[in-house]
Amino acid sequence: KQEVTQIPAALSVPEGENLVLNCSFTDSAIYNLQWFRQDPGKGLTSLLLIQSSQREQTSGRLNASLDKSSGRSTLYIAASQPGDSATYLCAVKVGEGTQGGSEKLVFGKGTKLTVNP
Amino acid sequence: GAVVSQHPSRVICKSGTSVKIECRSLDFQATTMFWYRQFPKKSLMLMATSNEGSKATYEQGVEKDKFLINHASLTLSTLTVTSAHPEDSSFYICSARHYITDTQYFGPGTRLTVL
Repeated sequence: KQEVTQIPAALSVPEGENLVLNCSFTDSAIYNLQWFRQDPGKGLTSLLLIQSSQREQTSGRLNASLDKSSGRSTLYIAASQPGDSATYLCAVKVGEGTQGGSEKLVFGKGTKLTVNP
Repeated sequence: GAVVSQHPSRVICKSGTSVKIECRSLDFQATTMFWYRQFPKKSLMLMATSNEGSKATYEQGVEKDKFLINHASLTLSTLTVTSAHPEDSSFYICSARHYITDTQYFGPGTRLTVL
């Protein structure tokens, strides 16, 4: 059974700092890995999607890497801002043969990020 | 960009009543929609996958008679929580898979509180 773990559970940093969020998954048989942002009481916003054949993706101040063989991904946020404060979720897309069901996303519990002004 | 809406955003109901939550893809067609449940400090848990015009596929441990899902069109799926109890109180999020790009877009969620 695929399990996704995110470390740390919470992180507080001063504005301007560069930071790294970690995600690990137990089964390397994934289609892709996605990082989401969730603001309190809100839905999910997709930040970056890395296909299983890719090593990294970049969008603005965000860079996500994927090491499928070791079951790890990192989300790097450069020059953090108070507006980056949110919970960041990592999810892997799995399909038949990996979990015995249709394609679906398996989520980690998230990392709650607070960027202090 | 692709937008998914949910209605209502918040609902409070009495124990024993039924509640219907709507999920709509506003500017794209979605052959597949997903329903998730989120508890505080927990992962989003997939409840069921619904395909337009066919029965939903429920995840293990999810009661299909309690959580009724209908995917009547390519832009609308509904989740009905029947005979709701306080333990059903949670944040319910839907997502819709774009039928061309295969990307999943998430709704803003519905906060259900059962008294």
